[in-house]
Amino acid sequence: RKEVEQDPGPFNVPEGATVAFNCTYSNSASQSFFWYRQDCRKEPKLLMSVYSSGNEDGRFTAQLNRASQYISLLIRDSKLSDSATYLCVVPPGTDKLIFGTGTRLQVFP
Amino acid sequence: AAGVIQSPRHLIKEKRETATLKCYPIPRHDTVYWYQQGPGQDPQFLISFYEKMQSDKGSIPDRFSAQQFSDYHSELNMSSLELGDSALYFCASRFGGLNTEAFFGQGTRLTVV
Repeated sequence: RKEVEQDPGPFNVPEGATVAFNCTYSNSASQSFFWYRQDCRKEPKLLMSVYSSGNEDGRFTAQLNRASQYISLLIRDSKLSDSATYLCVVPPGTDKLIFGTGTRLQVFP
Repeated sequence: AAGVIQSPRHLIKEKRETATLKCYPIPRHDTVYWYQQGPGQDPQFLISFYEKMQSDKGSIPDRFSAQQFSDYHSELNMSSLELGDSALYFCASRFGGLNTEAFFGQGTRLTVV
């Protein structure tokens, strides 16, 4: 089993839709969790950090479920500009950052 | 605000040549990461440094080496380049330990021909 796994995608949703991605992790020692957004051929950019049960920033909400070892990212009122690959990053209790395979989101008009 | 700077942005090398990629972390960041991302792949962790010492190692080939210098910049040295080394190489930096965010440079696109 991979250390960090994500919904395979791609998710194709219309503008205005609500979409959610899940990310499961295997190392129970992980204390912090991050969602990054990556546009094609660009660097990953930090979207949200999750340290406790969850975090909310405008249209974006991240939830953490430690018991089931997954985090989710919810995007409300999707915009065309939300089209990107969303990467879940989980430090496994050590210094390195483990990326999930990413979930591709395509928002269409 | 200062970001992570990588150079060069693009690099074309022939097989069996060597390449050196440079990374300048955000000022005061004490940890540097190197990642390799092939087409359609997620970023693969290569190596990390904390306070100029190697802190973790991932799937870095023996042909590659890296170090972090006294000014905290880092270099990834790649020798005997192979076609399969063609990828986007990202450097990221963070400060303060395990639970802080990492920020990425714009990457170096290496093409081996």
